Amino acid sequence: GNSVTQMEGPVTLSEEAFLTINCTYTATGYPSLFWYVQYPGEGLQLLLKATKADDKGSNKGFEATYRKETTSFHLEKGSVQVSDSAVYFCALSGSGNTGKLIFGQGTTLQVKP
Amino acid sequence: GAGVSQTPSNKVTEKGKYVELRCDPISGHTALYWYRQSLGQGPEFLIYFQGTGAADDSGLPNDRFFAVRPEGSVSTLKIQRTERGDSAVYLCASSLRGSSSAGNEQFFGPGTRLTVL
Repeated sequence: GNSVTQMEGPVTLSEEAFLTINCTYTATGYPSLFWYVQYPGEGLQLLLKATKADDKGSNKGFEATYRKETTSFHLEKGSVQVSDSAVYFCALSGSGNTGKLIFGQGTTLQVKP
Repeated sequence: GAGVSQTPSNKVTEKGKYVELRCDPISGHTALYWYRQSLGQGPEFLIYFQGTGAADDSGLPNDRFFAVRPEGSVSTLKIQRTERGDSAVYLCASSLRGSSSAGNEQFFGPGTRLTVL
């Protein structure tokens, strides 16, 4: 069945450091891929998405490229801020199904000033 | 506009009791999803409604769990004979439509934290 695997956290970085959070997936067909973020005390919110191979999703300085050849959707940001401290979830929605999301286990990011 | 709301925000109950969790989706959203998130894990899909009907209930763990959406708006997740293993945060999400073909965005509520003693 479909699944998502994320790198384990926590990830601790200094402000302005480069961020990569790895995400790989297993799916049949052509899933849509998402990154959701959960800030402390808040609900899940969509950060970015990509719906087909080679698409790049971007938002708030974050980027992720849908790589079908490596079944990956790694999240990157060139210069993190303290306000980026949160839990990040990679997710997929399988092609031709109901839109239900399958999530990875989440990666906690802590950015120190 | 108003987002997805869930009530109660916290629910503490005793093993064996019955609980109901409520979700108010964004107005006009036809698709509604329930997920369960255990500590340190990502959300796990429970059930999906398109309008009033449960189009996919493959994620419900057993027959103690049931959900309804009688008028195609508010949904209630019902858990009978609760067990300690049911303790988790129950999340509700809605989207304009259920199709995944366009990377349809789901909007999540704040969740209900259920604790079974």
